[in-house]
Amino acid sequence: DAKTTQPTSMDCAEGRAANLPCNHSTISGNEYVYWYRQIHSQGPQYIIHGLKNNETNEMASLIITEDRKSSTLILPHATLRDTAVYYCIVRWSDMRFGAGTRLTVKP
Amino acid sequence: SQTIHQWPATLVQPVGSPLSLECTVEGTSNPNLYWYRQAAGRGLQLLFYSVGIGQISSEVPQNLSASRPQDRQFILSSKKLLLSDSGFYLCAWSITGLGTDTQYFGPGTRLTVL
Repeated sequence: DAKTTQPTSMDCAEGRAANLPCNHSTISGNEYVYWYRQIHSQGPQYIIHGLKNNETNEMASLIITEDRKSSTLILPHATLRDTAVYYCIVRWSDMRFGAGTRLTVKP
Repeated sequence: SQTIHQWPATLVQPVGSPLSLECTVEGTSNPNLYWYRQAAGRGLQLLFYSVGIGQISSEVPQNLSASRPQDRQFILSSKKLLLSDSGFYLCAWSITGLGTDTQYFGPGTRLTVL
């Protein structure tokens, strides 16, 4: 009953932009898109969230399509420390993380 | 700024023993508090959440219980641990407002039941 779908894994070269996609075709009009990441054996770390407009903070940018059925998290200059599992979450009432995307940043 | 603490960081307990995990939040008032469990290689499963002192909602029937004795303290307990209780336990907090409910997670407690 996952509300979002993400690729299982992705690789990215160090210093390059990492673009992580997420599909959330059942999103409702007032639901936010949240992104978190989890480095092995640590608690999930909040990255960014958005409703309609694109968002940017010190960690990443979030691009949401006009129909809001998908989004992309962008890490502009990936480092080795960005290697983690990235979770896209839509419905907090569901309060479950799906499988996420395992991003591996390679030197 | 807000911080969330969990202890202990790791715990090894025998089957049938009791459990008490503690979570405290600093720098905010009246937070929503959550307990999650993560099995190895899996996603997070919500166990309990609380919107105020003494108020606990259980999401999954199981061998565990939760209590909120103070505004910023959340405790996860068990009277008798099972092997299946092993996992990574995460506490989180949020403040409801402005239409968002961003959750912030603690460092977690890794529990191994032998």
